Amino acid sequence: AQSVTQPDIHITVSEGASLELRCNYSYGATPYLFWYVQSPGQGLQLLLKYFSGDTLVQGIKGFEAEFKRSQSSFNLRKPSVHWSDAAEYFCAVGARGGGSNYKLTFGKGTLLTVNP
Amino acid sequence: NAGVTQTPKFQVLKTGQSMTLQCAQDMNHNSMYWYRQDPGMGLRLIYYSASEGTTDKGEVPNGYNVSRLNKREFSLRLESAAPSQTSVYFCASREGAGLHQPQHFGDGTRLSIL
Repeated sequence: AQSVTQPDIHITVSEGASLELRCNYSYGATPYLFWYVQSPGQGLQLLLKYFSGDTLVQGIKGFEAEFKRSQSSFNLRKPSVHWSDAAEYFCAVGARGGGSNYKLTFGKGTLLTVNP
Repeated sequence: NAGVTQTPKFQVLKTGQSMTLQCAQDMNHNSMYWYRQDPGMGLRLIYYSASEGTTDKGEVPNGYNVSRLNKREFSLRLESAAPSQTSVYFCASREGAGLHQPQHFGDGTRLSIL
C-alpha cells in the first residue's frame, strides 16, 4: 500500500525567505504525486501535480516541486515566501484503488507560519 | 460557480444522534469522495463513489454510510454519532477515475459530538 511522510509538522519562515517542504512517498510503481494547500477554514486547493516527464513541475502561486525517484521524494519549493502563503500543506500520492478508480493517500500535513 | 457545496458548515450533536452530511457538485463530475480530517492525521478517505450508482469503502468506513443520490449529490450518514467522529469532513469530486484529473474539495463540515 502507498504511504506519504511529511517529516516537518510545523515550519516557520520569514517573509521573503525561501521555502522547502519535504515529502517522501512509498509506492511500488510510478507514483502520481500532488501538493495541496489548505487555508484556515477552507477546503484543499491543488497547487501542482506530477505524473511523468519533466521532474520539475510548476504550480500556482509561484510554487514548484521536484520529483526525485532515487530519494522517493517530491519536495515543494518557493523562492520567496509571502505572508499569504501561511497555510497547511499536504502532499499526496495516487494509486489504483478498487476497480479502475484511483485514490489519494495524504500525508499528515505541514503547517507553515510566515513571520513579517 | 459553486463547485463543491457542503451543508451544514457546522454542527453539534449529542452522542447517539443521527446526522446526514450533504454534498453537491455542479461540475458534472463522475467520482465523489468523503474524507475526514483530524489534527495531525491528514485526510483519510471514508467512502467514495466512482460513478453514479456505485459506492466503495475507503480507509475508515466504520460508523458511516453513504448514498450517491444522483450524479450531483453524495451524502454521508452517521447513524449513531460517537465522540470519536468529531472531525472536519470534506467532500471532493473528480471528473473521472483517472488521477490526471484533480480533485475539487468543498469547504468542509465541522462536526462536534458531545
